[in-house]
Amino acid sequence: GAVVSQHPSRVICKSGTSVKIECRSLDFQATTMFWYRQFPKQSLMLMATSNEGSKATYEQGVEKDKFLINHASLTLSTLTVTSAHPEDSSFYICSAEDREKLFFGSGTQLSVL
Amino acid sequence: QKEVEQDPGPLSVPEGAIVSLNCTYSNSAFQYFMWYRQYSRKGPELLMYTYSSGNKEDGRFTAQVDKSSKYISLFIRDSQPSDSATYLCAMSPSGNTPLVFGKGTRLSVIA
Repeated sequence: GAVVSQHPSRVICKSGTSVKIECRSLDFQATTMFWYRQFPKQSLMLMATSNEGSKATYEQGVEKDKFLINHASLTLSTLTVTSAHPEDSSFYICSAEDREKLFFGSGTQLSVL
Repeated sequence: QKEVEQDPGPLSVPEGAIVSLNCTYSNSAFQYFMWYRQYSRKGPELLMYTYSSGNKEDGRFTAQVDKSSKYISLFIRDSQPSDSATYLCAMSPSGNTPLVFGKGTRLSVIA
């Protein structure tokens, strides 16, 4: 299947700092990428849909100004958690669609101290 | 009623057992059905992909979709300890809309 690369896999930061997570489709072009958040023992919660060259579509309750998404090319989308706080600590996963199938990155564990 | 219902388990079976995992859904518009396997602190891995009703087999895995009952299943034959993971069902009305996920079932296969 298609490969989606996500970096970093783990990040620990101080409260108030910003963190950028990268998601790349390695062997295909992804017009659309999705960003999910997952709490321990919970399912995936869709945060936003990222479309190449246009603004992201955020799900209800997700703060646009806190979770900045940029999809500048067909192979790269980034999620920036701005002014992170301990409640933003979570597992963030990106995904990209290839021929109607959704493939996921390996996830980023964010811990905000 | 949630769009997709999935028993979270945990489900514990002995090695070699046949495992049956299930999801029910309420939206009759769903056409695309997927099963993902997720190991702890890893991204989900696509296991099976089915369009509309029917069965699909891939090695030890068989996916079934019964649209009339709004019920999908994943069977794992000859289960192995390496199958221990959380299994998520997912579905969508079309190929271009976000997937709706079940909560996932935690499976433990005991050697």
